[in-house]
Order: sequence, then C-alpha cells, then structure tokens
Amino acid sequence: DAGVTQSPTHLIKTRGQQVTLRCSPKSGHDTVSWYQQALGQGPQFIFQYYEEEERQRGNFPDRFSGHQFPNYSSELNVNALLLGDSALYLCASSFNGASTEAFFGQGTRLTVV
Amino acid sequence: RKEVEQDPGPFNVPEGATVAFNCTYSNSASQSFFWYRQDCRKEPKLLMSVYSSGNEDGRFTAQLNRASQYISLLIRDSKLSDSATYLCVVAGGGADGLTFGKGTHLIIQP
Repeated sequence: DAGVTQSPTHLIKTRGQQVTLRCSPKSGHDTVSWYQQALGQGPQFIFQYYEEEERQRGNFPDRFSGHQFPNYSSELNVNALLLGDSALYLCASSFNGASTEAFFGQGTRLTVV
Repeated sequence: RKEVEQDPGPFNVPEGATVAFNCTYSNSASQSFFWYRQDCRKEPKLLMSVYSSGNEDGRFTAQLNRASQYISLLIRDSKLSDSATYLCVVAGGGADGLTFGKGTHLIIQP
C-alpha cells in the first residue's frame, strides 16, 4: 500500500520562474492538502483540494495555485518565485474533505536562488 | 498573538529521564488536537491525538485543558530515538487545515 508520494524531492529554481510540484495521495484517500514549511517553522496551510476543487485556503497569495485530477492526485503551482518561497512543501492526504487523519508525504525541498 | 505557541527549546535531556512539553492555542473554538513528531529533514508523523480526558500511548501521555487552551505531552523513560521536533497541532473552529506550532526540539543525550 503506497503512502503519499511527492515529486520531485529536491528542486532549485531562479527568482521569477514558475514551479510545479506533484503529489499522489495514499491509496483510498481523496483529499489533498498542501503545506509550506520554512526552516525552523511549523508547516503552514496553503490550500486543500477535494472533489477537484479548492475547498479551503490559507493566507497565501494568488501566485500559489493548484489542481486536483480525477485520480485524486494534485499539483501545486507557484508563479513568479521569490527567494522567500524557499521551503519544504508538504502534501497531506486524507479522506472525505477532512483535514485531520492526514498522512504527509516526504516533501519537496524547493530552493529559489 | 500566534495561533499555536510552543517553547522551541532545545530541550537537552538525559536518557531515561521524563520530559514534558506544553503548548497554548488562541482559537477557543478549536475542536481537534494532536502531537506530531518530525525528524530532521523528514515529514511530520502523527504521534497521538489529544483528548480532554487525557490519553496515554505507552511512554507518551497527552493532556488537554480547554479552559486554559493548553496542551501537554509527557514522555517517560526517554530513549535516544525520541530525539526529534515535536509539533503541537490544532484543527477546526473555523480555521482551515491543520494549524501547527513551530515545534519543540528535543535532544536525548546518552
């Protein structure tokens, strides 16, 4: 039974570029949430996708957008990258639109230079 | 005021000792409470949920005080493998997603 998988594991981008991160939820889960974790901080909620729609959103600018596919996998897109976007991006999967009972992927470490 | 506040530590504790962490949360309507464990450069993993009646899982005991908006975690007979960052997490009450504290860094020394 595959857990939550994210790709890529590491990524280096230049300021101003765009990036797409990918997440496949745990088998049986239909809800994907994205979190940003800066160094020395706890994860911060970006948004949640359920039934292919953004259901909840944290305090992040519109540069952060996402998508959920019919197979429940999800993408996080960040446009016009800033140095401050450097962080570990975590995907969490759960069931039926819940935020709790969530399992996290290993994350994508994004470095913006 | 931060939504979930924790002492970042580090807590340096000898192996076999008992250690306690606390956190406070600001949203009185929060409904669900958790402790997560995060190892260096890894993803957070659920350690245990926290209930008003208190709950225990082996060497770990969690307590919730809704009146004081305070959550605690007690680790007894600490092991070297307990070294990690412990994240206090709340959910519900109108907040979106899980709200994490910054984490408390624990180092168990031999």
